[in-house]
Amino acid sequence: EAGVVQSPRYKIIEKKQPVAFWCNPISGHNTLYWYRQNLGQGPELLIRYENEEAVDDSQLPKDRFSAERLKGVDSTLKIQPAELGDSAVYLCASSRYDGTDTQYFGPGTRLTVL
Amino acid sequence: AQKITQTQPGMFVQEKEAVTLDCTYDTSDPSYGLFWYKQPSSGEMIFLIYQGSYDQQNATEGRYSLNFQKARKSANLVISASQLGDSAMYFCAMRGTHNAGGTSYGKLTFGQGTILTVHP
Repeated sequence: EAGVVQSPRYKIIEKKQPVAFWCNPISGHNTLYWYRQNLGQGPELLIRYENEEAVDDSQLPKDRFSAERLKGVDSTLKIQPAELGDSAVYLCASSRYDGTDTQYFGPGTRLTVL
Repeated sequence: AQKITQTQPGMFVQEKEAVTLDCTYDTSDPSYGLFWYKQPSSGEMIFLIYQGSYDQQNATEGRYSLNFQKARKSANLVISASQLGDSAMYFCAMRGTHNAGGTSYGKLTFGQGTILTVHP
């Protein structure tokens, strides 16, 4: 089966510009996650969706970040306006209810804010 | 709150030898899942192995095995017969389970990672 797809793979923008990331999860996976990974650290959860519902967005900086998963499949994460500290890798993952709920990750989007 | 500690910033191993990557955890959840992921320099996070807190047997997946010691709260990854392609960052992670509920369910809490270098 196809893995988690993310685009773009790389994005370079100037601060205060908007940016959006797209994720297509593994077919049949109802849970979708967005993580942010800073250099040299483990990923940290930004938001978790169960189908269309955002069930955990406690770590999402809501003043500038937004996310949506309109039809319970694809998802978009947006930053507006971007700040220098937003430079990181943004990872999307998906899982299904199978006892382990193992999360499978996409290749990530490496964002550089200048 | 959950916490994962990986105390080895870097490890070196000779090709074909075995290596153990350490992971200790802390949680108040009655049940939980432990995961190991590999992240090569290309950046993708690759799932390696899973251990449930109530699993009686240590998990194994090919050359990977998880040395789970619940009383000591440790979940070390053992890689046998190391290969050059094993050189990467390795992350230990934990997730609460459905029954635990709360904010620990669903999200993975990661450690700081261990960089493994395999020498020929």
